[in-house]
Amino acid sequence: DAGITQSPRYKITETGRQVTLMCHQTWSHSYMFWYRQDLGHGLRLIYYSAAADITDKGEVPDGYVVSRSKTENFPLTLESATRSQTSVYFCASSERTIYGYTFGSGTRLTVV
Amino acid sequence: QKEVEQNSGPLSVPEGAIASLNCTYSDRVSQSFFWYRQYSGKSPELIMSIYSNGDKEDGRFTAQLNKASQYVSLLIRDSQPSDSATYLCAVRGRSGNTPLVFGKGTRLSVIA
Repeated sequence: DAGITQSPRYKITETGRQVTLMCHQTWSHSYMFWYRQDLGHGLRLIYYSAAADITDKGEVPDGYVVSRSKTENFPLTLESATRSQTSVYFCASSERTIYGYTFGSGTRLTVV
Repeated sequence: QKEVEQNSGPLSVPEGAIASLNCTYSDRVSQSFFWYRQYSGKSPELIMSIYSNGDKEDGRFTAQLNKASQYVSLLIRDSQPSDSATYLCAVRGRSGNTPLVFGKGTRLSVIA
């Protein structure tokens, strides 16, 4: 299916475990983004990427790692999950920076 | 820290009325402005973009931009219960690669 897909849709993990959230887009958009959304904080940028092998930190990068070996994939890894990383995570993509973003359906992550 | 401010609401309007949603931003050189709609439990959806001062209309939606006042607004005419959602304002700075900064959103409730 065309579009931007995130997996898993829901995830429960334990404190200290490593977990990877997947993001895949079929448009060959150059730009991809990871945001987290928390009550009272809105959408906050974690990492973004302008192209394959180019990534940059956003507002809240600590505890997260990203990679982008292929244009269409932009996985987000929590190296050692903490309860404060319980959140809804949204991946987004954009063909050009002057355009708005298209968001995936999100991953609801709970760290217990 | 670039900031985008929105009244969190809830903003309640009767069905058929005009809903007015406001957003201010701190970065004077911001160039691109977007409005997203987010239904509860769903991902943000782009509904309007505006780049120059003035009004831009799309169906029942009108975006208004005043760069001198650092103010952008969204008007929804003939509001419907299906418009009940959280509306996010997003702003991009002058640099072409600058990611969007999102406001925390205004919750709109349209009462039938």
